Amino acid sequence: DGGITQSPKYLFRKEGQNVTLSCEQNLNHDAMYWYRQDPGQGLRLIYYSQIVNDFQKGDIAEGYSVSREKKESFPLTVTSAQKNPTAFYLCASSIDPGQGADGETEAFFGQGTRLTVV
Amino acid sequence: GENVEQHPSTLSVQEGDSAVIKCTYSDSASNYFPWYKQELGKRPQLIIDIRSNVGEKKDQRIAVTLNKTAKHFSLHITETQPEDSAVYFCAAKWHDYKLSFGAGTTVTVRA
Repeated sequence: DGGITQSPKYLFRKEGQNVTLSCEQNLNHDAMYWYRQDPGQGLRLIYYSQIVNDFQKGDIAEGYSVSREKKESFPLTVTSAQKNPTAFYLCASSIDPGQGADGETEAFFGQGTRLTVV
Repeated sequence: GENVEQHPSTLSVQEGDSAVIKCTYSDSASNYFPWYKQELGKRPQLIIDIRSNVGEKKDQRIAVTLNKTAKHFSLHITETQPEDSAVYFCAAKWHDYKLSFGAGTTVTVRA
């Protein structure tokens, strides 16, 4: 059963602690993304990765870090430097645009992780 | 980079009427424009997309139009039904894989 999986669904952490959100896909997609969703602000891009061992900052990368050691995994670490970490985090993946029929294909989303920092 | 603006932020329509959501983008190099629907508590899912070499695309009650000159694209939903109630996001993709989203439109279909 192919797909993109985020874990855990709900996560609670104390202020000042780092926390890592998991994202795994078995779709053989090259590109992976992390978004943060807050009410009324849509999906804001944190980091994205086009290929293994390479990733780029998105629009709100401060206070976050990522790694891409394997094609199927793109974990996100929310560090203590992130001032307002409580949010809903969505991971997505898409096929390498160069291999798509028209050069671009859809992004598939995980079910999300709701992080609450207390 | 890419900046995507989406309007309106909320939209209430009578069942059976049409709904239109508009988005503008800033980077003329953007070449892919998907629309996603997110129902309450669920993940966003693609409902329709359009590429920069096409001006219009239709799929049953949903259509998307693209004006590359003006750098805007729109989602049209005809004969709206209660199950169309959701948050809709537009997005634009640049050639460096960066996929940027609009702020979303909450659509409510009144019975």
